[in-house]
Amino acid sequence: EAGVAQSPRYKIIEKRQSVAFWCNPISGHATLYWYQQILGQGPKLLIQFQNNGVVDDSQLPKDRFSAERLKGVDSTLKIQPAKLEDSAVYLCASSRSFSLGREQYFGPGTRLTVT
Amino acid sequence: GEDVEQSLFLSVREGDSSVINCTYTDSSSTYLYWYKQEPGAGLQLLTYIFSNMDMKQDQRLTVLLNKKDKHLSLRIADTQTGDSAIYFCAINTQTYSGAGSYQLTFGKGTKLSVIP
Repeated sequence: EAGVAQSPRYKIIEKRQSVAFWCNPISGHATLYWYQQILGQGPKLLIQFQNNGVVDDSQLPKDRFSAERLKGVDSTLKIQPAKLEDSAVYLCASSRSFSLGREQYFGPGTRLTVT
Repeated sequence: GEDVEQSLFLSVREGDSSVINCTYTDSSSTYLYWYKQEPGAGLQLLTYIFSNMDMKQDQRLTVLLNKKDKHLSLRIADTQTGDSAIYFCAINTQTYSGAGSYQLTFGKGTKLSVIP
């Protein structure tokens, strides 16, 4: 079974520029998560999708971050415009459902550096 | 909000046992997890324990849960150099939207260094 795929693996941009990350979850997984992991901290949930609907985006900075999962499979996370404090690793994870106890499988992440 | 605390560093000699500790504040968490993160990689689920259990053993890994003290620990027996990584404790918490959906709240991670 193929794992969660993410691209690009690394991205360097200047502040105020835009950037987009892509995630392809494990086949058949209905739930998709985007996490932000700042250096030295644990991952923090940004947004959670169930199929193509948003379950929770309460911690997503909506003035600059957006995410979509139009066909209920792949997802993109966008930052526009980027700030220095957005430098982090962005992790995508998927699970079969959002029910209690369902294991989340993580991708390798995209490391973003904003200069 | 929910809080998960871990010590940041642990150093052990190869062959010894490692014990990584975690405390949490949300007593309603029903699943508690340990994830491993190697450099440049995503998180890998090592093991988890259901809140009605006190202990779970899986090969070299032993998880102990003290619900009264809200304390979770991960013991790695016969620690190897390949165990060097960051270990995250995580608990499931209900999302703000409710609707029966849950999210993981992570600690900051414990960096385990294994000395050959």
